[in-house]
Amino acid sequence: SQKIEQNSEALNIQEGKTATLTCNYTNYSPAYLQWYRQDPGRGPVFLLLIRENEKEKRKERLKVTFDTTLKQSLFHITASQPADSATYLCALETGGFKTIFGAGTRLFVKA
Amino acid sequence: DAGVIQSPRHEVTEMGQEVTLRCKPISGHNSLFWYRQTMMRGLELLIYFNNNVPIDDSGMPEDRFSAKMPNASFSTLKIQPSEPRDSAVYFCASSLVGGVDEKLFFGSGTQLSVL
Repeated sequence: SQKIEQNSEALNIQEGKTATLTCNYTNYSPAYLQWYRQDPGRGPVFLLLIRENEKEKRKERLKVTFDTTLKQSLFHITASQPADSATYLCALETGGFKTIFGAGTRLFVKA
Repeated sequence: DAGVIQSPRHEVTEMGQEVTLRCKPISGHNSLFWYRQTMMRGLELLIYFNNNVPIDDSGMPEDRFSAKMPNASFSTLKIQPSEPRDSAVYFCASSLVGGVDEKLFFGSGTQLSVL
């Protein structure tokens, strides 16, 4: 069956360290993949989009990689801060601009 | 830009009642998505529209759910009759597909509680 998997466990890291979140998928060939941030009581907010022909993309302290052979994306937050604590969602385009989401990974950054 | 606007913010109703959720997408966007979020199932795509036309409604749980987009600036999601298992946060999102990128802009959501 078609599936998107993200780290089901919450990720706890110390301030200043790099957080790495994983998104794996099966049975899709997405034209692009996106990462979103969601805070409690709010809607998801777009962070980064990476296309199938791109290996890596950066934005400030954020970096996303996309390996279409492994069917995996890694999302990195460098020099993490307590304000980075949130749920991070991976989203795939599955054809015709239809976008589906993974369950998300909760990140806690301790001061 | 006011962003995607959803109403109401919270809705509490009794089983069997009709519920209507409303969404105003960002002006100029050509696609609109309805999602439902629960702890158990995460963020599920219910239906999406492109240029006001429903493209894929395969995520709509059952006939009790219906969605319309009468024009480019308004959409509704209706549940009739509502059931307790419909309790969730319902998000509307809009996007400009075919533009520079296809990122989704989400509203603040409607927290629906069916008693």
